[in-house]
Amino acid sequence: GAGVSQSPRYKVAKRGQDVALRCDPISGHVSLFWYQQALGQGPEFLTYFQNEAQLDKSGLPSDRFFAERPEGSVSTLKIQRTQQEDSAVYLCASSSVGRAGSYNEQFFGPGTRLTVL
Amino acid sequence: AQSVTQPDIHITVSEGASLELRCNYSYGATPYLFWYVQSPGQGLQLLLKYFSGDTLVQGIKGFEAEFKRSQSSFNLRKPSVHWSDAAEYFCAARGGPRGSTLGRLYFGRGTQLTVWP
Repeated sequence: GAGVSQSPRYKVAKRGQDVALRCDPISGHVSLFWYQQALGQGPEFLTYFQNEAQLDKSGLPSDRFFAERPEGSVSTLKIQRTQQEDSAVYLCASSSVGRAGSYNEQFFGPGTRLTVL
Repeated sequence: AQSVTQPDIHITVSEGASLELRCNYSYGATPYLFWYVQSPGQGLQLLLKYFSGDTLVQGIKGFEAEFKRSQSSFNLRKPSVHWSDAAEYFCAARGGPRGSTLGRLYFGRGTQLTVWP
């Protein structure tokens, strides 16, 4: 079956522009995560959804970052007034929800590479 | 706060040689631990995971890792490296209490593996 897909794969924005990054999780996956991976670094958590509910947004670096998942499937990460420090790869991951005490693997998409000039 | 440390930024080995990638974690209880591999332009692929039980875990592509509580380590090993193993490797720990469906991952900064023919 299809894995996690993300679009666009590459995005170049001028400083100050708004961007929207899309994530299509694996069908039926309840949990969805966004991570930011700066050059030469490991991924850093941004936010987490369970169905349409955003349960954790503690990793969003500023109020310019906004994420939504209105119907509990596709998610969009929006960055307003982009800055050069926003340049990074944005990774989306999804997982199913296991019974208490179990863990369900996070499946990652290929990422969107954002370059802010 | 939880953290994951990968002390080696870059490792070079000859094809056929053995490999060990180091990972240390800081966490109040025994975390769930993972190793991921990332090839250029690809998403993160799970190699193996440790939850509990046997401290030596086997993964895909001939990799294994050993959990050592006394050293807070979870090092990745492979007895004979192939040229196709060249990639970036990330160690990760899962936050949240056991049984929680919240599963944000904390990643190390990664180790880049180069394989000489």
